[in-house]
Amino acid sequence: DTEVTQTPKHLVMGMTNKKSLKCEQHMGHRAMYWYKQKAKKPPELMFVYSYEKLSINESVPSRFSPECPNSSLLNLHLHALQPEDSALYLCASSQVSGGRYEQYFGPGTRLTVT
Amino acid sequence: AQTVTQSQPEMSVQEAETVTLSCTYDTSESDYYLFWYKQPPSRQMILVIRQEAYKQQNATENRFSVNFQKAAKSFSLKISDSQLGDAAMYFCAYSNYGGSQGNLIFGKGTKLSVKP
Repeated sequence: DTEVTQTPKHLVMGMTNKKSLKCEQHMGHRAMYWYKQKAKKPPELMFVYSYEKLSINESVPSRFSPECPNSSLLNLHLHALQPEDSALYLCASSQVSGGRYEQYFGPGTRLTVT
Repeated sequence: AQTVTQSQPEMSVQEAETVTLSCTYDTSESDYYLFWYKQPPSRQMILVIRQEAYKQQNATENRFSVNFQKAAKSFSLKISDSQLGDAAMYFCAYSNYGGSQGNLIFGKGTKLSVKP
């Protein structure tokens, strides 16, 4: 099973709202990621949780805050977003095993900020 | 810093024909991993094929194979017997898991169209 699930699939929110994106994997992976993808562009890394340690892309504004309740779950809390934050948000998880490295993506959440 | 370059913004192939997508990368590391991901309009990023830099043998997955030239830092994807379902954006990606948190560095992508 190489499934990463994300909820919701679509989200429309106003600039004053608070919402959360959720991601879950049951592959036993110890690293999870949030990427942001604008249309016709490659994904850009936002956050990494690797063995419970958070690493942040310093260009990501503070209106995005990640949370990792346990090694299978990854949330992204959204607050006071701007219209330019509208994008596809992709969650991924990865592992290294026997010299093989794999990273799998969820289906993404399409976020629209109005 | 590592970079990944895909020089072909768009490619087109006839159904049942073969197409090769190009990718070059730059790194000073000796151990790393390379990937090709496919992203159809439905948006799910799907892992197509992976290559470990320490392996000399080129990876193959059914109709997909790579030509990995470590010295030239080149990693091209060959799709044989192209099918309509192969139409998608293809991203080449690099990761140096050992020295970082394992995040992927992507090229800008190549949009592949398949003509019936």
